[in-house]
Amino acid sequence: GDSVTQKQGQVTLSEDDFLFINCTYSTTTYPTLLWYVQYPGQGPQLLLKVTTANNKGISRGFEATYDKGTTSFHLQKASVQESDSAVYFCALVYTNAYKVIFGKGTHLHVLP
Amino acid sequence: GGIITQTPKFLIGQEGQKLTLKCQQNFNHDTMYWYRQDSGKGLRLIYYSITENDLQKGDLSEGYDASREKKSSFSLTVTSAQKNEMAVFLCASSIINERLFFGHGTKLSVL
Repeated sequence: GDSVTQKQGQVTLSEDDFLFINCTYSTTTYPTLLWYVQYPGQGPQLLLKVTTANNKGISRGFEATYDKGTTSFHLQKASVQESDSAVYFCALVYTNAYKVIFGKGTHLHVLP
Repeated sequence: GGIITQTPKFLIGQEGQKLTLKCQQNFNHDTMYWYRQDSGKGLRLIYYSITENDLQKGDLSEGYDASREKKSSFSLTVTSAQKNEMAVFLCASSIINERLFFGHGTKLSVL
């Protein structure tokens, strides 16, 4: 079945470091790809989304690109801040479907 | 704006007990979801409902029941709590399937 894979369970960085969170997907067609962020004590919230039409999503300094060749959707940010500490989930959803498929999440810890 | 309210925030149960979690939303969204979050396992879909009185099973529905008697509310029942079980249950609603609005979760501990 369709799936998303996040191999990094935890990432620890210092402020102003470059962030790269790996995500790959396995599907038979081309879904919408999503990144959700979950801050401590809260539910996840949508950070950005990318479709095959727009190819790249950018939000709050984070960006991700839809790469059909490598079936990847990595999340990047040029310079992280302590306030970016959270759990980041990669996910996919098909048009006209209700089920959002989430990855296992990557816990980002940014040191001051 | 709207809000998703989950009650209770913390739930402690005994092995074999039937436990009910409640969720209310004031977005007026048609679709509602219950996800289970375990450390290292991400979010797994238990049940979802696309309208009042509709129920659809997710990947993890065994051991759970759900009820959607009103558009604004969606409840989840753990039919028999498992000893040492610990997880966070997240309720969400949406009007567009890409953007789910989540509550803050109910943290379950079973003694």
